[in-house]
Amino acid sequence: EVQLVESGGGLVQPGRSLRLSCAASGFTFNDYTMHWVRQAPGKGLEWVSTVSWNGGNTDYADSVKGRFTISRDNAKNSLYLQMNSLRAEDTAFYYCAKDRVGGGVDYYFDSWGQGTLVTVSS
Amino acid sequence: QSALTQPASVSGSPGQSITISCSGISSDVGGYSYVSWYRQHPGKAPKLIIYDVTNRPFGVSNRFTGSKSGNTASLTISGLQAEDEADYYCSSSASSSTPLFGGGTKLTVL
Repeated sequence: EVQLVESGGGLVQPGRSLRLSCAASGFTFNDYTMHWVRQAPGKGLEWVSTVSWNGGNTDYADSVKGRFTISRDNAKNSLYLQMNSLRAEDTAFYYCAKDRVGGGVDYYFDSWGQGTLVTVSS
Repeated sequence: QSALTQPASVSGSPGQSITISCSGISSDVGGYSYVSWYRQHPGKAPKLIIYDVTNRPFGVSNRFTGSKSGNTASLTISGLQAEDEADYYCSSSASSSTPLFGGGTKLTVL
């Protein structure tokens, strides 16, 4: 069974940094592209970032480009999101999600973690 | 790029069918077959229920049907059940391009 468990969320002041982690199990982690998707409380879904199976290719939403960095450690079956220069509008639940296809990317998120809440406030 | 357009809410009675629309433009929904749908119960993570416009992942009920006409995709749920009460999100991406989501539709089962 696929399991994705996020951690690292919390309350942080504007302008500060936070690093999210996602521990993966139940599948061959290094075969799959991985994503971060966020959801502001009571709002809709927003794709944030994607990293290829080997970490060689990354992509970001315009809203986080230059501030967030996605990475992965395949030896540890872990996905990360380094978030710098945080803003109030970054407040959201952050979900780690697995791409549906192995060896490629189709931006269909077939497994999700439970989410971790990031609150940016002074 | 703007979010895809979904109705804020729909409702139906148990056993009935409902359809949720998802409107985009020719460069997303209309131009490609990369449309997906997610269901999200309160306090839970989203779940993929339709991909590639019409395909259901293994284990998803055949009561869920996806379709597309022009720039509008649709999700039809037949034989409504209480457990179908949830938020539904569409998503679309151009070929290997980053995805857009709709604003979400709250389904109420009366």
